[in-house]
Amino acid sequence: DVVLTQTPPTLSATIGQSVSISCRSSQSLLHSNGNTYLHWLLQRPGQSPQLLIYLVSRLESGVPNRFSGSGSGTDFTLKISGVEAEDLGVYYCVQGTHAPWTFGGGTKLELK
Amino acid sequence: QVTLKESGPGILQPSQTLSLTCSFSGFSLSTYGMCVGWIRQSSGKGLEWLANIWWNDDKYYNPSLKNRLTISKDTSNNQAFLKITNMDTADTATYYCARGLGHYWGQGVMVTVSS
Repeated sequence: DVVLTQTPPTLSATIGQSVSISCRSSQSLLHSNGNTYLHWLLQRPGQSPQLLIYLVSRLESGVPNRFSGSGSGTDFTLKISGVEAEDLGVYYCVQGTHAPWTFGGGTKLELK
Repeated sequence: QVTLKESGPGILQPSQTLSLTCSFSGFSLSTYGMCVGWIRQSSGKGLEWLANIWWNDDKYYNPSLKNRLTISKDTSNNQAFLKITNMDTADTATYYCARGLGHYWGQGVMVTVSS
């Protein structure tokens, strides 16, 4: 199985601070069809996960543009440019290039 | 508007079979490329992908639970189903259904396995 390693496991930030989360894969996530099936999700406390970024860098409709994704191959990054209170929760990366689909262990974003 | 909603028994005893239903709207599982999957999350833990079913009835199972899982669909009624046999206390979790690779999620259903 593909292992997705997220760092850091916990992130403390102040409102307005910019932060980054890393997701490193044990295998390249470049599919033979040319797509890289790496998405980013946010799970707020008591809620279901929601999609933020899909295919590495595409912003889901309705998601604020302070969120951005980048990377290729095995190394991916989610950046939040100016944390807001509503951004608190657990962030997950998920890959769908290789079966079984797998999730990263999560990064909990807290207020400092 | 895409919505998904899970339903299930809430509580069951060890060794019983769990039957879950995902009722969805805003898309059709007969549309080319569409899929619905099941994911679970134990309390305070991470996410685990269980199974997918595709528009062409292809099915995918997580090998770690493959022998216990059966996924199916009713395209006419916009539903997908998951059965897990031989439930154990370790299977206590919130079970979610989702469209595609997590594009849309249901609210989740809590399933407790207890004697």
